[in-house]
Amino acid sequence: DTGVSQDPRHKITKRGQNVTFRCDPISEHNRLYWYRQTLGQGPEFLTYFQNEAQLEKSRLLSDRFSAERPKGSFSTLEIQRTEQGDSAMYLCASSLVTVEEQYFGPGTRLTVT
Amino acid sequence: AQTVTQSQPEMSVQEAETVTLSCTYDTSESNYYLFWYKQPPSRQMILVIRQEAYKQQNATENRFSVNFQKAAKSFSLKISDSQLGDTAMYFCAFQYTGTASKLTFGTGTRLQVTL
Repeated sequence: DTGVSQDPRHKITKRGQNVTFRCDPISEHNRLYWYRQTLGQGPEFLTYFQNEAQLEKSRLLSDRFSAERPKGSFSTLEIQRTEQGDSAMYLCASSLVTVEEQYFGPGTRLTVT
Repeated sequence: AQTVTQSQPEMSVQEAETVTLSCTYDTSESNYYLFWYKQPPSRQMILVIRQEAYKQQNATENRFSVNFQKAAKSFSLKISDSQLGDTAMYFCAFQYTGTASKLTFGTGTRLQVTL
């Protein structure tokens, strides 16, 4: 399967714990995006990378959130000191610079108890 | 900042019938893309159709077509010959051209196709 993959698919954590999610984009795609989707809403942009450079961050991305893409391939999204309001589906997408379509992964569903 | 509005939270259509999903958006830009994405239950989001704002011709992909009215900032999706597999959440999305390539989504329309 050469699509976007995300790991884990589901994560349940207690409030105050740290969590980390991984995204593996389509191999030749140099842009990688993170979105957050809460129940009944459309995805909201969090941040995006072009190769290893983080080019834009949403104001939704508080200082408890950090994202990396160290070698321009996979990316990680870490949430520190999780809060119940962080419960959501975290979606990753990738694209080529020259093509605007973004291809989405299956998402990581986070539940903070 | 741009906004995308989908005013129909839920819709239902019988198999083989035609249904139209509405989307309006607000932007001061002239160069952008519009998309419809489909998110089936418990499955990942997939692209249905895209439209470049500079093109006057409406995009078509098999049973899916759009009605793009740039002046009215309207972008509706028509699904012809609806199939059970079309049951999903449908999201309208906006994207500036150039370097600011994030997608801005509407709140979605839940489409149920019935027998």
